[in-house]
Amino acid sequence: DSGVTQTPKHLITATGQRVTLRCSPRSGDLSVYWYQQSLDQGLQFLIQYYNGEERAKGNILERFSAQQFPDLHSELNLSSLELGDSALYFCASSAQTGATSNSGANVLTFGAGSRLTVL
Amino acid sequence: LAKTTQPISMDSYEGQEVNITCSHNNIATNDYITWYQQFPSQGPRFIIQGYKTKVTNEVASLFIPADRKSSTLSLPRVSLSDTAVYYCLVGDMRSGGSYIPTFGRGTSLIVHP
Repeated sequence: DSGVTQTPKHLITATGQRVTLRCSPRSGDLSVYWYQQSLDQGLQFLIQYYNGEERAKGNILERFSAQQFPDLHSELNLSSLELGDSALYFCASSAQTGATSNSGANVLTFGAGSRLTVL
Repeated sequence: LAKTTQPISMDSYEGQEVNITCSHNNIATNDYITWYQQFPSQGPRFIIQGYKTKVTNEVASLFIPADRKSSTLSLPRVSLSDTAVYYCLVGDMRSGGSYIPTFGRGTSLIVHP
């Protein structure tokens, strides 16, 4: 157990639907990162939050959104789902902000992932 | 932007030492080198991190030459359970000054009996 909790583990839904993935970071970690992993794209960074604020954005689609709540848990919302959104979605947490002064030393702790299947 | 290059795949046998080399010619002065391991359908797991010379922990060793343009992850006496994908990461800056760990394709290591 890494200390990062993701729910649900598996999710099957239909195209056009909306789902919410939830993540609780490791105790004491203020940063949350979301990654998407599909067979053809590898691990792709989506978005980062630090202590409730958005810090960095990757290749996140406009149909996707996220937020981090005061208790530091985070949710990734995926809407108007398409077949191509089927993937593993990982949440990771870190104690560091990811700011310039800490470049490269940032170690992430990943959750077990949420497998989304869009039919 | 420091890009990394590592072999797509490697094969080994139980009990052997495995060395996976990663090239990162554009590594920045304040960048660390971090390696992760990922088993199928699981999240990546931190293995080891270093800045220069050699780092060793209970799982692996990391060798970094003086020019820091490459690094080698060494796994001593691998077992079947070491079959996984290994990622080499070097600091990557994003907008807003936030460092985001960026994963490439990694090296798929298969350990044979």
